[in-house]
Amino acid sequence: NAGVMQNPRHLVRRRGQEARLRCSPMKGHSHVYWYRQLPEEGLKFMVYLQKENIIDESGMPKERFSAEFPKEGPSILRIQQVVRGDSAAYFCASSTGSLYEQYFGPGTRLTVT
Amino acid sequence: DAKTTQPTSMDCAEGRAANLPCNHSTISGNEYVYWYRQIHSQGPQYIIHGLKNNETNEMASLIITEDRKSSTLILPHATLRDTAVYYCIVRGAGGSYIPTFGRGTSLIVHP
Repeated sequence: NAGVMQNPRHLVRRRGQEARLRCSPMKGHSHVYWYRQLPEEGLKFMVYLQKENIIDESGMPKERFSAEFPKEGPSILRIQQVVRGDSAAYFCASSTGSLYEQYFGPGTRLTVT
Repeated sequence: DAKTTQPTSMDCAEGRAANLPCNHSTISGNEYVYWYRQIHSQGPQYIIHGLKNNETNEMASLIITEDRKSSTLILPHATLRDTAVYYCIVRGAGGSYIPTFGRGTSLIVHP
């Protein structure tokens, strides 16, 4: 059973460009979470999604960030008009339910130049 | 979620047991204790969780005190690859389903 997949693993964008991060949950998991980890800091929750629904986006910045988890295909975290402060590792996790253990992907390291 | 308190750092000799403590004095009756770890530059890894009873799996053992106000994660025979930041998280029904990752304990296993 493949684990949580994230791609790309490394992404370099210039200021003002868009970044798209993809997450494929483990087979059988319908709950997806996105976290951000700034250098030398802890993980910060961003958004919690189920298929076609955003359940909790309390950790998402109000502007430029959006997330989706369509009926078919991976979950996508989209960052528009990236700035240097968006440089971080973005981790996706999946679970079978809201109170079950989460399994994390290897992360996407975004560098904004 | 109930707050947790963990030591900032610990060290352990390779082959010895690593005992990582966690205080969660405000835990409520329906909240579970979860442990995750994050090896440098990797995604966090689920280790174990429990409610009241002690739990054991292939990775670790979790000992929860009778009053549930604290717990200890035990790595019975630590290896160099167990060097990581270990997070103790409390979550469950009635509280937030979103785990809050604090600073955790940085465990260094030395030869």
